[in-house]
Amino acid sequence: KNQVEQSPQSLIILEGKNCTLQCNYTVSPFSNLRWYKQDTGRGPVSLTIMTFSENTKSNGRYTATLDADTKQSSLHITASQLSDSASYICVVSPFGGGSQGNLIFGKGTKLSVKP
Amino acid sequence: EPEVTQTPSHQVTQMGQEVILRCVPISNHLYFYWYRQILGQKVEFLVSFYNNEISEKSEIFDDQFSVERPDGSNFTLKIRSTKLEDSAMYFCASSGGQGWQPQHFGDGTRLSIL
Repeated sequence: KNQVEQSPQSLIILEGKNCTLQCNYTVSPFSNLRWYKQDTGRGPVSLTIMTFSENTKSNGRYTATLDADTKQSSLHITASQLSDSASYICVVSPFGGGSQGNLIFGKGTKLSVKP
Repeated sequence: EPEVTQTPSHQVTQMGQEVILRCVPISNHLYFYWYRQILGQKVEFLVSFYNNEISEKSEIFDDQFSVERPDGSNFTLKIRSTKLEDSAMYFCASSGGQGWQPQHFGDGTRLSIL
């Protein structure tokens, strides 16, 4: 069954510190992997999209990595800010190109950044 | 920056009633989607829509659900006879094209069925 698992479920860090969130997936065939940020009460916002041939992609202080062989991805946040407090969701597309429909979502990691 | 807008932000409906959730996707986008998120659970795909027809749908999207693009700007999700388990946050999303285009999400409509 196609699944996306994330760890940890929740994480508390101090402002200015770095952190890494993990994602494991069993989706096959695999097309691309996305990381989204979801603030409380808001819709998800895209951070990165990576295809199976990409190992790493950055968006400002966010760096995502992908190992398509082990079916693992990580999201590294550098120099965290209070505004980084949100849920971070790993999303996998099981189809190649086309309408991108039927994205498989993880449950997310809830990150709290404390002053 | 262009946004996906959804109305209403909160809808309260009696069980068995019909409900229509409305979305205005980003104007030059071609692909449209509905997702739902039951409180405390994962976001789940419902349906994708392209070229005025459904391109994919999930098992959740049964005969009680329908989608429509009634004009050039709106995209609607109709639930014909609501059930208690339809209570969830419903997100609309749109994307600009094929391949690896990101999906842009609205802020959702919270649907509460009494």
